[in-house]
Amino acid sequence: NAGVTQTPKFQVLKTGQSMTLQCAQDMNHNSMYWYRQDPGMGLRLIYYSASEGTTDKGEVPNGYNVSRLNKREFSLRLESAAPSQTSVYFCASSEAPQPQHFGDGTRLSIL
Amino acid sequence: SQQGEEDPQALSIQEGENATMNCSYKTSINNLQWYRQNSGRGLVHLILIRSNEREKHSGRLRVTLDTSKKSSSLLITASRAADTASYFCATDQSGGYNKLIFGAGTRLAVHP
Repeated sequence: NAGVTQTPKFQVLKTGQSMTLQCAQDMNHNSMYWYRQDPGMGLRLIYYSASEGTTDKGEVPNGYNVSRLNKREFSLRLESAAPSQTSVYFCASSEAPQPQHFGDGTRLSIL
Repeated sequence: SQQGEEDPQALSIQEGENATMNCSYKTSINNLQWYRQNSGRGLVHLILIRSNEREKHSGRLRVTLDTSKKSSSLLITASRAADTASYFCATDQSGGYNKLIFGAGTRLAVHP
């Protein structure tokens, strides 16, 4: 039972570089989400996709783009990374309104 | 801005004791959920309480919800060292789309 799989687990970027974080779920969930978690804080929603083919902004979307590639996959792209985007990124999925299932995160450092 | 605020920020207890964590929120909700996060891992769902429910149990967990005070509490009874984790409340105010807003969490340490 893989659940929600995120790749990579760790990444170091230089300011201005671009990167795509990958997320895949095998639970046939319609909804998928991207969050960031900063030290001492809870998760903040970046973008979400209520169903395949739709995406919507969350609380902190600036500097990010997303693609719902198919029902299984939801990617998060940083076009020009900034140090303020250093964080742990979590992907989640759910069959709303059921609770969300989370991946183990991508730890991203931007120098 | 975050919807939920948790209290206390950190809690340290001995095995066998009960742990109580509180969550307050600002606007009306569809439901409130509690999640647990072990160090270095993703969040795991513990329990969901709907806005028309006042109390819910699951094993050693007891959750209460007071919509008039916009607050919830999570009680873990007879705690174990394995309960050591961060606990987060999250509110769904999106009409069932499960668009959650998380609090900053309570770090619980249970000492053997």
